[in-house]
Amino acid sequence: NAGVMQNPRHLVRRRGQEARLRCSPMKGHSHVYWYRQLPEEGLKFMVYLQKENIIDESGMPKERFSAEFPKEGPSILRIQQVVRGDSAAYFCASSPPSQGSYEQYFGPGTRLTVT
Amino acid sequence: GEDVEQSLFLSVREGDSSVINCTYTDSSSTYLYWYKQEPGAGLQLLTYIFSNMDMKQDQRLTVLLNKKDKHLSLRIADTQTGDSAIYFCAEWSSNTGKLIFGQGTTLQVKP
Repeated sequence: NAGVMQNPRHLVRRRGQEARLRCSPMKGHSHVYWYRQLPEEGLKFMVYLQKENIIDESGMPKERFSAEFPKEGPSILRIQQVVRGDSAAYFCASSPPSQGSYEQYFGPGTRLTVT
Repeated sequence: GEDVEQSLFLSVREGDSSVINCTYTDSSSTYLYWYKQEPGAGLQLLTYIFSNMDMKQDQRLTVLLNKKDKHLSLRIADTQTGDSAIYFCAEWSSNTGKLIFGQGTTLQVKP
């Protein structure tokens, strides 16, 4: 059973470009979470999604950031018009529906660098 | 709001025991976790403890929970150089449904 997969692992964008980060949850998992890790800091919750639903987006910046988890395909975290402050590692986690969100399995992360 | 605090750095000699401490504020925390992160890598779940437990042991790892003081610790016995990493404490509450992380403790193991 493959783990949580994220791609790309590294992404470089110029200021003003768009960044798209993908996350494929573990097989059978229907809950996805996105976290951001700024340099020298812990992970901060961004958003919690189920298939076709945003459950909690209390950690998402109000502008430029959006997330989706369609019926088919991976979850996407989209950052429009990136700025240097968006440079961070973005981690996705997934959990099985029967266990709630307390057992979250993390992907390897996408490291975004904005130049 | 919820908050999780850790000391930032710990240095030990190879073969010694390491104890990493964490405090949290959310009294409704249901599960508490320890994750390990090596440079440039993702998070590896080391262990977690349910809030009605005081202690959990798994090979070289011992987790102690003092719920009254909202204090969690991770003890690593016979610390090896391969244990050098950043260790994150995290808590999960059924009220919020999300993991709240501390800022991480860098463990340096000297040969």
